[in-house]
Amino acid sequence: QLVLTQSPSASASLGASVKLTCTLSSGHSTYAIAWHQQQPEQGPRFLMKLNSGGNYLRGEGIPDRFSGSSSGAERYLTITSLQSEDEAEYYCQTWGVGTVVFGEGTKLTVL
Amino acid sequence: EVHLVESGGGLVKPGGSLRLSCAASGFSFNAYSMNWVRQAPGKGLEWVSSISSSGTSIYYADSVKGRFTVSRDNAKNSLNLQMNSLRVDDSAVYYCARDGDQTSVTTWFLHWGQGTLVTVSS
Repeated sequence: QLVLTQSPSASASLGASVKLTCTLSSGHSTYAIAWHQQQPEQGPRFLMKLNSGGNYLRGEGIPDRFSGSSSGAERYLTITSLQSEDEAEYYCQTWGVGTVVFGEGTKLTVL
Repeated sequence: EVHLVESGGGLVKPGGSLRLSCAASGFSFNAYSMNWVRQAPGKGLEWVSSISSSGTSIYYADSVKGRFTVSRDNAKNSLNLQMNSLRVDDSAVYYCARDGDQTSVTTWFLHWGQGTLVTVSS
């Protein structure tokens, strides 16, 4: 079964960096994912598509402070030079034939 | 610029029906698969349904299969979701989303609408 696992929460200080993790279920380690950001009271926004080789494609207008990387079944979102507006929920998404799956989201707090 | 604007949400009693629409602009609507995603209050994102660019391939989450019907009108650049036999746990903000590429019906989501709220309550 295709499942994405995310930690419920993360925190980091203003100006620091943070690395969020999304883990693919067993047997699905080659799947690509997408990262989406959801700021409070807003709809989701696409951040990037990330493949198993660590290659990523950022969405239009997404600053280069946001980057992606991969290792095995893990997909990472790294945010550098954290700003207050980065405080948000971050969801990973993947897909198979006839199905789309979201992780449960990681709430990022900027201290 | 891509715009997706959902409408049709509201308050409905359990067992009732509601029809959501998503008006699309800024891209060739008939070239992309489209999707519905929902988010219950305080919860995460849940995929609901996907429909191919031509409307011939359709997929549903198990939680809505047999109750919800997705459709599209490519002449009107419109995506629809007919929701029947609504339950309290269908209460959510419903988002429409456009696929990021044209490789398959289910893929990554590049563009999102702002959502429409559906509340199912007696």
